[in-house]
Amino acid sequence: DTVVTQTPLSLSVTPGQPASISCKSSQSPRHSDGKTYLYWYLQRPGQSPQLLIYEVSNRFSGVPNRFSGSGSGTDFTLKISRVEAEDVGLYYCMQTIETPPGFTFGPGTRVDIK
Amino acid sequence: QVQLVESGGNAVQPGRSLRLSCEASAFSLRSFAIHWVRQAPGKGLEWVSVISFDGSDKYYSDSVKGRFTISRDNSKNTVYLQMNRVRPEDTAVYYCATHVIDSSQSQIPFGDWGPGTLVTVSS
Repeated sequence: DTVVTQTPLSLSVTPGQPASISCKSSQSPRHSDGKTYLYWYLQRPGQSPQLLIYEVSNRFSGVPNRFSGSGSGTDFTLKISRVEAEDVGLYYCMQTIETPPGFTFGPGTRVDIK
Repeated sequence: QVQLVESGGNAVQPGRSLRLSCEASAFSLRSFAIHWVRQAPGKGLEWVSVISFDGSDKYYSDSVKGRFTISRDNSKNTVYLQMNRVRPEDTAVYYCATHVIDSSQSQIPFGDWGPGTLVTVSS
């Protein structure tokens, strides 16, 4: 089974400072079509999750450009260039499994404000 | 933005059945594959199942395979999750979420989510 890990599991950031979350997978999310199916989601307190980044580095509609995704192989990173108060919450990376089709989330990284 | 609403969550005894529904307001669900994702209290996200836009393809996580069945009725604009032989570890908020392929052929799973419905399995 594919295992997705995230580090750190908790992060406290001063507003205006950058933040970075690492996501590592036991199996590359690169599929036979050559695309890499790695995603990032944010779940704000008391809310449903929302998509931030799709296919490693593409910002979803309405996502501020302070969020960026990068990586390849089995190592990926979400960066927030300048953390704002509204960025508080749980961040999940997720990869899709090609065969059999499936979707595996990481354990989540809690981000709060100092 | 797509508006999804889940319903059917309830308290249920182990071994019993429950059916969850996911409806869309003000738009048609028939163009979307739909997932169910769950979140146990205080825990992370777990993908449960997905159904293609026309219902021809269905996939399940190992934890629910053989017990849960996903289906859809596009005439009613609704996707269902039939939960049979439920277990205490099925206790969670269940979300439905969309899966689309955009104009660039990018896969976008869980692009829009409902608010969730709580299922509690306990004797």
